[in-house]
Amino acid sequence: KQEVTQIPAALSVPEGENLVLNCSFTDSAIYNLQWFRQDPGKGLTSLLLIQSSQREQTSGRLNASLDKSSGRSTLYIAASQPGDSATYLCAVRSGGGADGLTFGKGTHLIIQP
Amino acid sequence: DTGVSQDPRHKITKRGQNVTFRCDPISEHNRLYWYRQTLGQGPEFLTYFQNEAQLEKSRLLSDRFSAERPKGSFSTLEIQRTEQGDSAMYLCASSAHPTGNQPQHFGDGTRLSIL
Repeated sequence: KQEVTQIPAALSVPEGENLVLNCSFTDSAIYNLQWFRQDPGKGLTSLLLIQSSQREQTSGRLNASLDKSSGRSTLYIAASQPGDSATYLCAVRSGGGADGLTFGKGTHLIIQP
Repeated sequence: DTGVSQDPRHKITKRGQNVTFRCDPISEHNRLYWYRQTLGQGPEFLTYFQNEAQLEKSRLLSDRFSAERPKGSFSTLEIQRTEQGDSAMYLCASSAHPTGNQPQHFGDGTRLSIL
């Protein structure tokens, strides 16, 4: 059974800092990995999708990397802003015909102005 | 707005009542997913449809839960004889096919509170 772990559970940093969020998964046989952002009481906003054959994806100040063999992904946020404050969720789509995503519990990020 | 739409946003009901939620996916997305999220946890997969066919169900989907997508467009999730433990956010997502390797896009969810 696939399990996804996110570290740290919570993070508070001053505005302007670069930061890294970590995600690990137990079964490396994945189709893809997706990073989401969730604001309080809201649904999920898709940030980046990395296919299993890819090593990284970039969108603006966000960069996500994937090391499938070691079961790890990182989300790098450059020049953090107060508007980046949210919960960041990592999810994997495993192989074997299963199509639902398996999520971690998220990293609750606070950017201090 | 062409995003995933869910209705209602909030539902408060008494234990034992039946509730039904609706999800309208992004147009032309033929895959539709239901998830459940409790406080402090990541979403948990419940079930998914490709067009009108329900292709996968999680063990979390007890016999009190039923989902339909009759015409391959909108979907409904019904919970019968609600219990306290059903209190959660119910999220719907959709994705495009045919490759199957497409991002899932989520709606804002329906928050269910059981009194």
